Amino acid sequence: GENVEQHPSTLSVQEGDSAVIKCTYSDSASNYFPWYKQELGKRPQLIIDIRSNVGEKKDQRIAVTLNKTAKHFSLHITETQPEDSAVYFCAATITGTASKLTFGTGTRLQVTL
Amino acid sequence: IAGITQAPTSQILAAGRRMTLRCTQDMRHNAMYWYRQDLGLGLRLIHYSNTAGTTGKGEVPDGYSVSRANTDDFPLTLASAVPSQTSVYFCASKVGQNTGELFFGEGSRLTVL
Repeated sequence: GENVEQHPSTLSVQEGDSAVIKCTYSDSASNYFPWYKQELGKRPQLIIDIRSNVGEKKDQRIAVTLNKTAKHFSLHITETQPEDSAVYFCAATITGTASKLTFGTGTRLQVTL
Repeated sequence: IAGITQAPTSQILAAGRRMTLRCTQDMRHNAMYWYRQDLGLGLRLIHYSNTAGTTGKGEVPDGYSVSRANTDDFPLTLASAVPSQTSVYFCASKVGQNTGELFFGEGSRLTVL
């Protein structure tokens, strides 16, 4: 089955700096890669996703890049703010089948003032 | 408010006891999932159901069972709880197996002593 590795496990940045979280996946057939944000004590919520037919997707201060050849994808957050502090999970799956998301182990992002 | 409701939100349970975590959604989503979240291990899939009347095993199914008698409800049962099942359990759903976004419930924190 699919295996998703995520790094780093913790990340501390100063407010205004950029943050990058990286994930690799094992199954070359995976074609959908979402990112979830989980604030302390809350449920995970989708913040951005990318499909294998594009290499980059942006939504305001967040962007995701995908390198299918290397089987890795990354989340980029620019101009970080305190409310970006949370745990971020990457995931991968193959759509069009009985798709089940496989999650990475999470990155705890701390944005300091 | 439409969404996913989990119950109980928190429970302390003696080892060996039977426990059912309830999950109900009112979005008419076909696919439903149970994940457990443990520190450093991310979100791991326990069981899933692509449509009412069908269920499947995820990554960590041992010690758990599910049923899907109708579209809205997807209970998770621990037949004889063990301390290693101490975790936060999230129920999730999405429109169909070929689509993307997972909607999560608020989670059920279970402690097995």
